[in-house]
Amino acid sequence: EVQLVQSGAEVKKPGESLTISCKGSGYSFTNYWIGWVRQMPGKGLEWMGIIYPADSDTRYSPSFQGQVTISADRSISTAYLEWSSLKASDTAMYYCARPETGGYMPLDYWGQGTLVTVSS
Amino acid sequence: DIQMTQSPSSLSASVGDRVTITCRASQSIITFLNWYQQKPGKAPKLLIYAASSLQSGVPSRFSGSGSGTDFTLTISSLQPEDSATYYCQQSYTTLLFTFGPGTKVDI
Repeated sequence: EVQLVQSGAEVKKPGESLTISCKGSGYSFTNYWIGWVRQMPGKGLEWMGIIYPADSDTRYSPSFQGQVTISADRSISTAYLEWSSLKASDTAMYYCARPETGGYMPLDYWGQGTLVTVSS
Repeated sequence: DIQMTQSPSSLSASVGDRVTITCRASQSIITFLNWYQQKPGKAPKLLIYAASSLQSGVPSRFSGSGSGTDFTLTISSLQPEDSATYYCQQSYTTLLFTFGPGTKVDI
């Protein structure tokens, strides 16, 4: 069974750093892209970026380029989303999601989400 | 960037009603269009991919159609468990996906 299991909720202060994780199981982690999606409170879904664990090829949505860092450790089948200096506006639920291989790449598996709260 | 719009932003319907949600892309995306359902406090769930293909395990009352810039998600007979927010998503631009703003469906 394919599963994406994300790390737990975080409460941080502005200016702090943070890394959240997404561990894949039940499939060949290396051979599938894995992406991140932001959902701010009461708002819609926003595509942040994506990584291919086999070679760490990473693509960012222009809105998130330079704001976050996406990485992966294929040895432990885990993808990461990192902030070096959090802002209150980073408060949101963050989901990892795996696109199916092939042309249409629908996001067929999702993590359960990690709630990040940034408040002084 | 490809922009996605959805209409309506919300709707209220009764059990058994036929419900239609529209999604429009700012340029042609052929059939690179997927639909998701999200219930409160839950991760989104894939319903339809490639504009009209039903994801395994999804009830057949859900269907999708369209190509180019205009797409439709239809629920043929609304059920209580269909109360959710529905999002379209384009996957035409390789690895740079975009979601629509969502349509909230109340029963």
